[in-house]
Amino acid sequence: EVQLVESGGGLVQPGGSLRLSCAASGFTFSRYSMSWVRQAPGKGLEWVSYISFGSNTIYYGDSVKGRFTVSRDNAKNSLFLQTNSLRAEDTAVYYCARETNSGWNLDYWGQGTLVTVSS
Amino acid sequence: QSALTQPASVSGSPGQSITISCTGTSSDVGGYNYVSWYQQHPGKAPKLMIYDVSNRPSGVSNRFSGSKSGNTASLTISGLQAEDEADYYCSSYTSSSTLHVFGTGTKVTVL
Repeated sequence: EVQLVESGGGLVQPGGSLRLSCAASGFTFSRYSMSWVRQAPGKGLEWVSYISFGSNTIYYGDSVKGRFTVSRDNAKNSLFLQTNSLRAEDTAVYYCARETNSGWNLDYWGQGTLVTVSS
Repeated sequence: QSALTQPASVSGSPGQSITISCTGTSSDVGGYNYVSWYQQHPGKAPKLMIYDVSNRPSGVSNRFSGSKSGNTASLTISGLQAEDEADYYCSSYTSSSTLHVFGTGTKVTVL
């Protein structure tokens, strides 16, 4: 069974940093690209970042470019999102999701981790 | 990159069919067959319901179907059931640096 479990969220002051993690199991992690998607309270989904299975290709959404860094450790079946210079508008549930191999779709999602940016 | 446009809400009675539209541009919905649909119940993670415009993942009911015409994609739910009440989001690959663009979301209410 495919499982994605996020962790690392919490309350942080504006300007602060958090490192989010996503532990993957139930599939060969090193063969799949991954994305981070976030959802502000009561709002819609917003794609944040993508990393290819070999970390060769990385993309970021315009709202986080230059502040967030995605990485992965295939040996540990783990995905990471380093979030720096956090702003109130970064407050959201952050989901990690698996990209399908056949196209640009997200076929499995974790339950999310809540990041709250507030003083 | 602007979000894809969806109606804020759609409702129907049990057994009826409803259709949710998702309008984009030639740089996303109209330009690629990489439109997907996600169902999200309150407090839960999104679930993939349709991928590549009209394909259903294993385990998804055949009451859900997808299509596309020009810059507009559609999700149809036939034989509406109480458990279908949820938020639905479309998504598309986009040629902009954003990669994935989501729709504004549609709340489906079963009357």
